[in-house]
Amino acid sequence: ILNVEQSPQSLHVQEGDSTNFTCSFPSSNFYALHWYRWETAKSPEALFVMTLNGDEKKKGRISATLNTKEGYSYLYIKGSQPEDSATYLCAFDSGAGSYQLTFGKGTKLSVIP
Amino acid sequence: NAGVMQNPRHLVRRRGQEARLRCSPMKGHSHVYWYRQLPEEGLKFMVYLQKENIIDESGMPKERFSAEFPKEGPSILRIQQVVRGDSAAYFCASSPTGTVARDYGYTFGSGTRLTVV
Repeated sequence: ILNVEQSPQSLHVQEGDSTNFTCSFPSSNFYALHWYRWETAKSPEALFVMTLNGDEKKKGRISATLNTKEGYSYLYIKGSQPEDSATYLCAFDSGAGSYQLTFGKGTKLSVIP
Repeated sequence: NAGVMQNPRHLVRRRGQEARLRCSPMKGHSHVYWYRQLPEEGLKFMVYLQKENIIDESGMPKERFSAEFPKEGPSILRIQQVVRGDSAAYFCASSPTGTVARDYGYTFGSGTRLTVV
């Protein structure tokens, strides 16, 4: 059974603060690590798909890093805004044939204006 | 350009009834994936289908659950004789190919929230 852990479970930050959270995943049989942003009552939206150890990806104020050898990824949000409030999911892809992902439970971010 | 459409958004069923959840993939997408989110849990893979074929159903409960993706029409997830433990949010994702989803991420629908009373 693959174990994907996200921490913290939830956090509240003030508008303008920068924040980060963690996803840990198995360091063996790694193919890719996905990050999704999920707003309440909407559909999860793909942010990044990361495959290479040491990879860093950026989209606006959001960036992510990947360490496949130790099995973790960080998601950073710089200068949080209320519209960043959402649940951030990471998902592990072992590269098995059926393309299924193993998701963590998510980190729920609330940005206080 | 509609995204992945799921209906209904909310479904209430009494114990023992059947639940039918529909997923219309994005235009041009022929691969569909169903995931389930139980309360306080992460999304869990259920089944992966291509048009008229079930590719991987390793995440589906062995009994009462079935899925199909016919040549025409939406993908259907069917739950027979529902029980309270089936209450969950069911999400569908689609992609043009499995490789595209793997490399660029999945396109998800907004989910169907099933409540069994």
